[in-house]
Amino acid sequence: AQSVTQPDIHITVSEGASLELRCNYSYGATPYLFWYVQSPGQGLQLLLKYFSGDTLVQGIKGFEAEFKRSQSSFNLRKPSVHWSDAAEYFCAVGRDYKLSFGAGTTVTVRA
Amino acid sequence: GAVVSQHPSWVICKSGTSVKIECRSLDFQATTMFWYRQFPKQSLMLMATSNEGSKATYEQGVEKDKFLINHASLTLSTLTVTSAHPEDSSFYICSAPRIGQVGEQYFGPGTRLTVT
Repeated sequence: AQSVTQPDIHITVSEGASLELRCNYSYGATPYLFWYVQSPGQGLQLLLKYFSGDTLVQGIKGFEAEFKRSQSSFNLRKPSVHWSDAAEYFCAVGRDYKLSFGAGTTVTVRA
Repeated sequence: GAVVSQHPSWVICKSGTSVKIECRSLDFQATTMFWYRQFPKQSLMLMATSNEGSKATYEQGVEKDKFLINHASLTLSTLTVTSAHPEDSSFYICSAPRIGQVGEQYFGPGTRLTVT
């Protein structure tokens, strides 16, 4: 069975500080891996994805994520957080478009 | 970019009534769409896959008679919650895969259903 764990329910970070969101997964084979961001009133927006190849992937809005097969992890990072990064972040895994999502991490940015 | 819309964005209905939620792909065709349910502070749970021209396929544990899905055209899928009860109150989200872009989906903004 596939599952996704986001250990941090809520993270508060100061504007300009770095951010790391954790994601661990369980899957039968190497899945496709995604990070989405959800803002109120808007649909989930894809930040980045990993299918194969270079394990460090760059996404939009200055985000990056690193796939570590040995740790079954796909952690999301941003070097310097902006107030507009406050949102809900979801890690998702799957193939053939059928995705399993983690429970999400709420990011609060303080001035 | 690709846009998926949902209508309505929120709806309140009484127990026992039915409510229909629409999902439209605005600038591309989608032979397949997905319906998710999201409880507060929880992850999205895939409910069903909507297939244009054929029956929807439901995930285990999802009542197909309660959640009726119709994929009427290449740009429209509807989810009807029949005989709604308060426990059906939730946030319903649809998505559509972009053909040719492996694994990518475009998500609608969601519909908040409250059953009183």
